[in-house]
Amino acid sequence: NAGVTQTPKFQVLKTGQSMTLQCAQDMNHNSMYWYRQDPGMGLRLIYYSASEGTTDKGEVPNGYNVSRLNKREFSLRLESAAPSQTSVYFCASSGVKGNQPQHFGDGTRLSIL
Amino acid sequence: GDSVTQMEGPVTLSEEAFLTINCTYTATGYPSLFWYVQYPGEGLQLLLKATKADDKGSNKGFEATYRKETTSFHLEKGSVQVSDSAVYFCALSDQDYGNNRLAFGKGNQVVVIP
Repeated sequence: NAGVTQTPKFQVLKTGQSMTLQCAQDMNHNSMYWYRQDPGMGLRLIYYSASEGTTDKGEVPNGYNVSRLNKREFSLRLESAAPSQTSVYFCASSGVKGNQPQHFGDGTRLSIL
Repeated sequence: GDSVTQMEGPVTLSEEAFLTINCTYTATGYPSLFWYVQYPGEGLQLLLKATKADDKGSNKGFEATYRKETTSFHLEKGSVQVSDSAVYFCALSDQDYGNNRLAFGKGNQVVVIP
């Protein structure tokens, strides 16, 4: 029972490098989300996709891009990584109704030197 | 906009003690309320939820009641175990169809000492 799968689990980048974080869900959910978690800040929404073919900015979208590749997959791209983007990134998915919980992956721990 | 406020600071308590974590919210509509738990090195897991006023969510000995009059959803457990050590997040979601964004509180680290 995979649920939400994120790859990679850990990554170290140098400033200015680019990379894509991958996320896939097998629960047939319409909505998917990317968050970052920083100490003392809780979870902050970067981007979300309410349904296949749509994406919207969240609370902290600057420096990131996303692609909803199909219903299962939602990727997050850092075009030019900065040390301020060092964080733990979580992907989540859910149904479309507000009473349906989000399901989270185990996270990607990203360090930018 | 919608927001969630959790009590400041970590919570340290002894095994078998009573746990309360306060959560209050601000919302324009009729949100669903959630508690999530995060164990070290893992993602968030749903602990319990309540979708309307006076509902009580419960799971693994934890309980929380949706109080519309005080806009609160406090988490309680009568007798904690070391295995309950984790970070706990309160969250709300708008009820409107097609909008399932969550607003999270900042979380509370709970440490249970044997």
